[in-house]
Amino acid sequence: GQNIDQPTEMTATEGAIVQINCTYQTSGFNGLFWYQQHAGEAPTFLSYNVLDGLEEKGRFSSFLSRSKGYSYLLLKELQMKDSASYLCAVMDSNYQLIWGAGTKLIIKP
Amino acid sequence: DTAVSQTPKYLVTQMGNDKSIKCEQNLGHDTMYWYKQDSKKFLKIMFSYNNKELIINETVPNRFSPKSPDKAHLNLHINSLELGDSAVYFCASSQEESHSGANVLTFGAGSRLTVL
Repeated sequence: GQNIDQPTEMTATEGAIVQINCTYQTSGFNGLFWYQQHAGEAPTFLSYNVLDGLEEKGRFSSFLSRSKGYSYLLLKELQMKDSASYLCAVMDSNYQLIWGAGTKLIIKP
Repeated sequence: DTAVSQTPKYLVTQMGNDKSIKCEQNLGHDTMYWYKQDSKKFLKIMFSYNNKELIINETVPNRFSPKSPDKAHLNLHINSLELGDSAVYFCASSQEESHSGANVLTFGAGSRLTVL
């Protein structure tokens, strides 16, 4: 079956750096997405990786290793507003999006 | 200004009732979706429409019927509601059809359905 694994919850301190990991086992691969979802709100797009390596976008970076079925989202200079769930999603060979359950990130002052 | 809007935001109803959730997007996107997010926070695709035509219909009970009068609207009608239907339903849209890797979704704010 198809599977996306990410930690359920993580805690970090304001101003620090946190890395949220995602491992996947899917039938084929056509890209990996990270979305941010604040409590009670809609998911919003953060990043897309289809080739191996690091994509940087401001304070957020996303890394992909296709051979390892692994990605991470790196958040730097954490702010209180970064408290949210971070959803990893993989597009399989049928171009279907397979979603992880999300990682709830709690930022403490 | 809202890109993807869905109504109502909250819906509380009794088992056995029929209800509808409406969705509209003003982004000019060709593809619209309905997702269900359950209490465990998994997002599950239910339906996908491209230019008013159904392209994805996952294993959903036929009590759920989507209707797309035009490419900017995708409504979800649910008959004979059951307790297990309680969830948050998200409408989304994208520029590309599913057969494209970089298929970024824009989500609506969600409709929280509670069946009593």
